[in-house]
Amino acid sequence: QVQLVQSGAEVKNPGASLKVSCKATGYTFTAYYIHWVRQAPGRGLEWLGWINPNRGDTKFPQTFQGRITMTRDKSTLTTHLDLSGLRPDDTAVYFCARFSSNYYYFDNWGQGTLVSVSS
Amino acid sequence: SYVLTQPPSVSVAPGQTASIPCGGSNLETKSVHWYQQRPGQAPMMVVSRDTDRPSGIPDRFSGSKSGSTATLTISGVDAGDDAVYFCQVWDGTIDHPVFGGGTMLTVL
Repeated sequence: QVQLVQSGAEVKNPGASLKVSCKATGYTFTAYYIHWVRQAPGRGLEWLGWINPNRGDTKFPQTFQGRITMTRDKSTLTTHLDLSGLRPDDTAVYFCARFSSNYYYFDNWGQGTLVSVSS
Repeated sequence: SYVLTQPPSVSVAPGQTASIPCGGSNLETKSVHWYQQRPGQAPMMVVSRDTDRPSGIPDRFSGSKSGSTATLTISGVDAGDDAVYFCQVWDGTIDHPVFGGGTMLTVL
């Protein structure tokens, strides 16, 4: 069955960088875009961007331009989210999600990675 | 940017029917998808493309849309339905998803 398994919780100091991983199993890795979404405590879902695992192209919202990078490793079926210049308001649960390009929805999600940014 | 509006909370007694609205401009031209997020868990899709139910989702969950408002309806609610429900569409003008703010369903 389709599974997205994310890396474990992280505690970071302000100004540090973050790397979260998302390993895909149970389907053809290159056939589905992966999106990243985060959720601050008690808040809604905030879209962080997507990566095309086939070609590696990416797209991010303007608010994260210059701070965010997404990469993929076809050999390990893993996508990575990198976020630099961490601030306390980056504290959130970070999710990866498989995206259906036919129907524009998220049909499978990772379990989430809790990231805490605090001095 | 495109905005989806949901009420922050909805309460309903066990066994009753909960209706959760999601409003947006020109929503009739977009496909609306609904996700359930239980505490401490990832979101899970419960309705896709306005009215479809993914495999494994009980038929107590249904979706509808009229004009600029989509509605998630949950009949015969029980404590297991206590969760936050999000609606989502794709904004083709800026090529990214848009989520509603989420509605916390409380089963009294």
